[in-house]
Amino acid sequence: GAVVSQHPSWVICKSGTSVKIECRSLDFQATTMFWYRQFPKQSLMLMATSNEGSKATYEQGVEKDKFLINHASLTLSTLTVTSAHPEDSSFYICSARWAGTREQYFGPGTRLTVT
Amino acid sequence: AQTVTQSQPEMSVQEAETVTLSCTYDTSESDYYLFWYKQPPSRQMILVIRQEAYKQQNATENRFSVNFQKAAKSFSLKISDSQLGDAAMYFCAYRSYNNNAGNMLTFGGGTRLMVKP
Repeated sequence: GAVVSQHPSWVICKSGTSVKIECRSLDFQATTMFWYRQFPKQSLMLMATSNEGSKATYEQGVEKDKFLINHASLTLSTLTVTSAHPEDSSFYICSARWAGTREQYFGPGTRLTVT
Repeated sequence: AQTVTQSQPEMSVQEAETVTLSCTYDTSESDYYLFWYKQPPSRQMILVIRQEAYKQQNATENRFSVNFQKAAKSFSLKISDSQLGDAAMYFCAYRSYNNNAGNMLTFGGGTRLMVKP
């Protein structure tokens, strides 16, 4: 149980375009979802926290107009990277939890390459 | 704000031997959770072990155990009988017990573990 999926697993896009990454909780209702960014050989950096039906809370230094997060349902959150640039190339990981659980369950990640 | 520090960027261990990964953290809270996550080459984050700060007993999960020293704010991971499949990045993480803190995880910088056959 407690499976989180991400789609796509790998995406290549051209500079200036937008790309959407989906995060789904497959067997539970995710009241909270988290989006992380991980550069090569580095740790996970929290970008934002989203609660279903509410606006996402962004961490300091994360541009909310560039990284649009939508948590429209209890099983789906999306991260849209708008006007992507090569420096946005990274590994993006989502995680999800339900109310009352101590754990976060992680998706397999999405590798974004901006050319 | 809480910080988590892993002072060993890389560690290596011989297969079947034991290795200990270090983690220290800084917090003013008395109740919290500590975690060790494994990230293999697939990059899927896998929970290895969890410790509640209010529990004095160290958590164990099969070959994995922790040494939790609350006063010293230390949380090390011991892997016994190391296997080739244990090779991965290991991240120590902190989470506040207070749900109002947003349930976010604060990660350390990671330790790359190599297992020699």
